[in-house]
Amino acid sequence: AQKVTQAQTEISVVEKEDVTLDCVYETRDTTYYLFWYKQPPSGELVFLIRRNSFDEQNEISGRYSWNFQKSTSSFNFTITASQVVDSAVYFCALSEGAGANNLFFGTGTRLTVIP
Amino acid sequence: DSGVTQTPKHLITATGQRVTLRCSPRSGDLSVYWYQQSLDQGLQFLIQYYNGEERAKGNILERFSAQQFPDLHSELNLSSLELGDSALYFCASSVKPLPSGQIVTSGANVLTFGAGSRLTVL
Repeated sequence: AQKVTQAQTEISVVEKEDVTLDCVYETRDTTYYLFWYKQPPSGELVFLIRRNSFDEQNEISGRYSWNFQKSTSSFNFTITASQVVDSAVYFCALSEGAGANNLFFGTGTRLTVIP
Repeated sequence: DSGVTQTPKHLITATGQRVTLRCSPRSGDLSVYWYQQSLDQGLQFLIQYYNGEERAKGNILERFSAQQFPDLHSELNLSSLELGDSALYFCASSVKPLPSGQIVTSGANVLTFGAGSRLTVL
């Protein structure tokens, strides 16, 4: 069965610090997709990134970057120069199979950026 | 605005009652998903519909049911409510047909979530 572990329940950083959110997953499928979603205090879930199991290239989008390593089954998320607006709960999620769409979410990491 | 509309935003009711949560997917999206977010269970997948038909089932209780209508909106019905059903219920949508009419079935489509319906059972 699939499993997504976000061991960090809560993280606090001071503004402008870099922070890495960890995500470790388990799956028996060779084809799968990994996602990160952000849930700000307002409550909605906002899509950040999707990665497929065949693409291990790291990705950078502005202050956000993602490190996907199949060897360690990890898909970590780094925020550079954090800002107060980054304060949110961040969820890592897994979708198994070539045609699957259902997401299995980790328990989330609550990030607080202190001004 | 994600384009996925959920009503009501907040709902307070009593144990034993029945409620209906409504979801309108993004324009053109054929799939609707329901998720429950509670403090003790986290974000859990309940059920998926695709173009009116049930596609996948997760941890949905027998007291809960859902359907997707011909206009693609969906309703989640929760009955015989218990205190433990208090949660944030999210609807998400995905899968637009290609201009050719074909459906992209490979790969995992991105789910776009609504703002959620917060249910409080007293």
